[in-house]
Amino acid sequence: SQTIHQWPATLVQPVGSPLSLECTVEGTSNPNLYWYRQAAGRGLQLLFYSVGIGQISSEVPQNLSASRPQDRQFILSSKKLLLSDSGFYLCAWTGQGNQPQHFGDGTRLSIL
Amino acid sequence: RKEVEQDPGPFNVPEGATVAFNCTYSNSASQSFFWYRQDCRKEPKLLMSVYSSGNEDGRFTAQLNRASQYISLLIRDSKLSDSATYLCVVSQRAGNMLTFGGGTRLMVKP
Repeated sequence: SQTIHQWPATLVQPVGSPLSLECTVEGTSNPNLYWYRQAAGRGLQLLFYSVGIGQISSEVPQNLSASRPQDRQFILSSKKLLLSDSGFYLCAWTGQGNQPQHFGDGTRLSIL
Repeated sequence: RKEVEQDPGPFNVPEGATVAFNCTYSNSASQSFFWYRQDCRKEPKLLMSVYSSGNEDGRFTAQLNRASQYISLLIRDSKLSDSATYLCVVSQRAGNMLTFGGGTRLMVKP
């Protein structure tokens, strides 16, 4: 069966520090991969999606970036975090066709 | 106008009650529809897909009205464990791009 792993679960970072969040999927090949952010008490905002290795689409302008170095690996990065980057970051995957997305456990990021 | 709109609630209901959530979407070309459940400080989890003919899964019934661009979720015989936020989700275009509603919070009381 397919599983998705996301880490770390929680992270506290100072303003201006770099960020790297990793997401991996097992049990499938060529998944579509997604990064979302959810601010406290708010809905999910799509940040990036990828349909294949090295293919990244950005949905909103920001100081974050994403990379997909391997088929089942999706990384969210920042060179310098802002206070506004705090939130709950979720990685998701789906197969081909109009399938629902399945989420990792999420990373709760606090910026101090 | 938001692409997917939901009443944020909260809906406070007693155990055993029947509760219904509604959702409207703006893009008439939307292709797929889902309800997700999200517990506090957890990731969203797929509750059920929504089919044009309507579908049922145990105590949960989902309906889709394409003409009115309206989706509903009915929960019968509410349990304490049903307390969560319910997210209406619509596939806006090809490539499995999903748009999430803001969620409706349900609190089931003993």
